[in-house]
Amino acid sequence: GAVVSQHPSRVICKSGTSVKIECRSLDFQATTMFWYRQFPKKSLMLMATSNEGSKATYEQGVEKDKFLINHASLTLSTLTVTSAHPEDSSFYICSARDQLAGSTDTQYFGPGTRLTVL
Amino acid sequence: QKEVEQNSGPLSVPEGAIASLNCTYSDRGSQSFFWYRQYSGKSPELIMSIYSNGDKEDGRFTAQLNKASQYVSLLIRDSQPSDSATYLCAVRPSSASKIIFGSGTRLSIRP
Repeated sequence: GAVVSQHPSRVICKSGTSVKIECRSLDFQATTMFWYRQFPKKSLMLMATSNEGSKATYEQGVEKDKFLINHASLTLSTLTVTSAHPEDSSFYICSARDQLAGSTDTQYFGPGTRLTVL
Repeated sequence: QKEVEQNSGPLSVPEGAIASLNCTYSDRGSQSFFWYRQYSGKSPELIMSIYSNGDKEDGRFTAQLNKASQYVSLLIRDSQPSDSATYLCAVRPSSASKIIFGSGTRLSIRP
């Protein structure tokens, strides 16, 4: 299957700082990437859909000024958590959609980034 | 009504038995269906995708799709303790690009 990487895998930061998470599709081009958040023992929650070359589409209740998304190329999307607070501590997972002709149009997940805000 | 519904479990199955996981969806026009497995503390990994009615087999896994009943299931044969995880059913509705996930079924295989 296709490979999606995320960096960093784990980050601990102080309250008020900003944290950038990178998501890369390693062996396919992804015009669309997705950002999820997951709290312990809870379901995946879609935060936003990231489209290459255009503005991200945020889900209801997700602050776009708080969670900045940039999808500058067909293989890279970034999520920046601005002015992080302890309640932002969570497991952030990106996903990329393989949309090449002839592919199964499947969504593959990165390994996730565990953010802890002190 | 939730768009994708799953029983949260936990579903406990003895080792070596068949585990049956079920999922229903609300959008009748949906075309793409997926099963993901998620171990605790890890991200989801794709197990199966299915697009047409009937069964699709891959090793110990069989996905079953019935569009008339809006029902998709995953069977795991010869269940192993390593199959213990949360299984997420996902559906791509006809009119959207994003996949809708169910809340997941927690499966526990007891030795």
